[in-house]
Amino acid sequence: DADVTQTPRNRITKTGKRIMLECSQTKGHDRMYWYRQDPGLGLRLIYYSFDVKDINKGEISDGYSVSRQAQAKFSLSLESAIPNQTALYFCATSDRLAGGRMGSYNEQFFGPGTRLTVL
Amino acid sequence: AQRVTQPEKLLSVFKGAPVELKCNYSYSGSPELFWYVQYSRQRLQLLLRHISRESIKGFTADLNKGETSFHLKKPFAQEEDSAMYYCALPGEGGGNKLTFGTGTQLKVEL
Repeated sequence: DADVTQTPRNRITKTGKRIMLECSQTKGHDRMYWYRQDPGLGLRLIYYSFDVKDINKGEISDGYSVSRQAQAKFSLSLESAIPNQTALYFCATSDRLAGGRMGSYNEQFFGPGTRLTVL
Repeated sequence: AQRVTQPEKLLSVFKGAPVELKCNYSYSGSPELFWYVQYSRQRLQLLLRHISRESIKGFTADLNKGETSFHLKKPFAQEEDSAMYYCALPGEGGGNKLTFGTGTQLKVEL
């Protein structure tokens, strides 16, 4: 789905460097998410944003920060990268909830992923 | 706390054999459950959700509240079913967040 894009697709960096991963979407969705994927651990939520002024920590936010520059853009930063942040990072988007009723959870649409290696 | 357990990291079956990918959950209240799939070199995408009661690509999944399970089944595996499958349910605090299981890699052998 070309509507959710991530840059860069691959990045190798060194311990201590600052890294920014970018996500853009043309789906017009309010909600955006950052996950990391590790073998054997599945996907874990890092941060999520309901709109430009609403940003929330996920289950593994330590060592990360985010910026929602616009409805369409959600960036993830590693202020000082460390080797255990080596992972595949996914951005996702979803539409606004339909009111909390059963069946109101909206599909999440994922980007292609960014493979980050911290040496 | 919400939790999703997928006990198998890898499931290998022969083409034409039945497939069952296991998913168990813990959730307070009435859960919505999902299966997401990631084919090789493709994006993670929604396969099916229990609320829709659909069969997608021959896969079905029934929510069993008594056993707190949402196993994904297909009667006859195809080579193109080889992929990583994730079971998911709403994360704590709502907001359309999802909690994913650790995933099961399905390999369909010829």
